[in-house]
Amino acid sequence: NAGVTQTPKFRILKIGQSMTLQCAQDMNHNYMYWYRQDPGMGLKLIYYSVGAGITDKGEVPNGYNVSRSTTEDFPLRLELAAPSQTSVYFCASSYSGGRDTEAFFGQGTRLTVV
Amino acid sequence: QQQVKQSPQSLIVQKGGISIINCAYENTAFDYFPWYQQFPGKGPALLIAIRPDVSEKKEGRFTISFNKSAKQFSLHIMDSQPGDSATYFCAASGIQGAQKLVFGQGTRLTINP
Repeated sequence: NAGVTQTPKFRILKIGQSMTLQCAQDMNHNYMYWYRQDPGMGLKLIYYSVGAGITDKGEVPNGYNVSRSTTEDFPLRLELAAPSQTSVYFCASSYSGGRDTEAFFGQGTRLTVV
Repeated sequence: QQQVKQSPQSLIVQKGGISIINCAYENTAFDYFPWYQQFPGKGPALLIAIRPDVSEKKEGRFTISFNKSAKQFSLHIMDSQPGDSATYFCAASGIQGAQKLVFGQGTRLTINP
């Protein structure tokens, strides 16, 4: 089992460019999440999905889009990159949404917008 | 708005000492309080978690103390080791249909040999 796999690990974007951060999990988890981690700010939830075809906004969704066409994949799309989106992005998954359910995180994508 | 406040931001402890990290929350609907450990270049990994119906949970050298009335919880690392040097995040979530974690700001812990 690879767990949660994120690609790419690093990326530099120019302002206004677009890109998709990929996330895949092989644990057959229904729930998937995208967080961003800024220095000294902890992680903040961007979007989440409770199953294929179902997505919802988290705390900081502006400037991002997601889709969930399969159980395994949950890509995060940046349409018009801005310097404020410079951050480390983490994808996570969990078997269910109930309490005591562990969330498993990928290794992250470090994105710099210049 | 910061719903989970964590302190200190950084902590240096001697090997064998006790490391203590504190968190306070505002939302009384939270009912699950995990701690995550993150090493450089890696994603956070669950370390230990507690529910509000117990006041303490211990797993090896790691203990969570929970004070529901004060809306505070803390992580204690006994006999701290250099391998414990990492960033620690407290978090909280409620019954919302998804494990939507609200994280504290993180504490960078350094254990000096």
